[in-house]
Amino acid sequence: GENVEQHPSTLSVQEGDSAVIKCTYSDSASNYFPWYKQELGKRPQLIIDIRSNVGEKKDQRIAVTLNKTAKHFSLHITETQPEDSAVYFCAASYGSSNTGKLIFGQGTTLQVKP
Amino acid sequence: DVKVTQSSRYLVKRTGEKVFLECVQDMDHENMFWYRQDPGLGLRLIYFSYDVKMKEKGDIPEGYSVSREKKERFSLILESASTNQTSMYLCASNSLSAAFYGYTFGSGTRLTVV
Repeated sequence: GENVEQHPSTLSVQEGDSAVIKCTYSDSASNYFPWYKQELGKRPQLIIDIRSNVGEKKDQRIAVTLNKTAKHFSLHITETQPEDSAVYFCAASYGSSNTGKLIFGQGTTLQVKP
Repeated sequence: DVKVTQSSRYLVKRTGEKVFLECVQDMDHENMFWYRQDPGLGLRLIYFSYDVKMKEKGDIPEGYSVSREKKERFSLILESASTNQTSMYLCASNSLSAAFYGYTFGSGTRLTVV
């Protein structure tokens, strides 16, 4: 079946450093790629998303890049802060019928050390 | 401001009980989803519904059923709860009519089956 692989599973950085999380997807029909942040005990929240007709999107300290040929996309967080510590999930739309379903990666636990 | 509401944050049920998890959204979304979240496995789709009374199996439907009698409400049913169904359950909704159809998640229900 279709799947999304996410790496690394855990990531520890010093405050102020950059963090990169990478995902690969298998469904060539995927055209929408959101990223979610889940703080401890809270619901996942959408932080940034990108469509397949765009290669990169930025929003302040976060950016997402997409390589459709290689079927991978990445989340970049610059100047990390302790409040960036959370679990991050990537996702990709799947189903060529454009059902609105998303398939999620396994999650990355990011720890930002002060 | 809460747009997707799950009826319970924590539930403890006995093996063999029939369990109902309720989810209500107030955004008039046509799609609603049930996921379970387990450490290291990410979010796995149990069932989704794209319209009232319509449903489709996700990746792990065994032991679960769903009901959608009204557009705003999507119920997950554990027919006979088992200990391997102890997990965090997340409800989500979206609409394909939106330009970017990222999910809005509920706060989750942590179910423990003893």
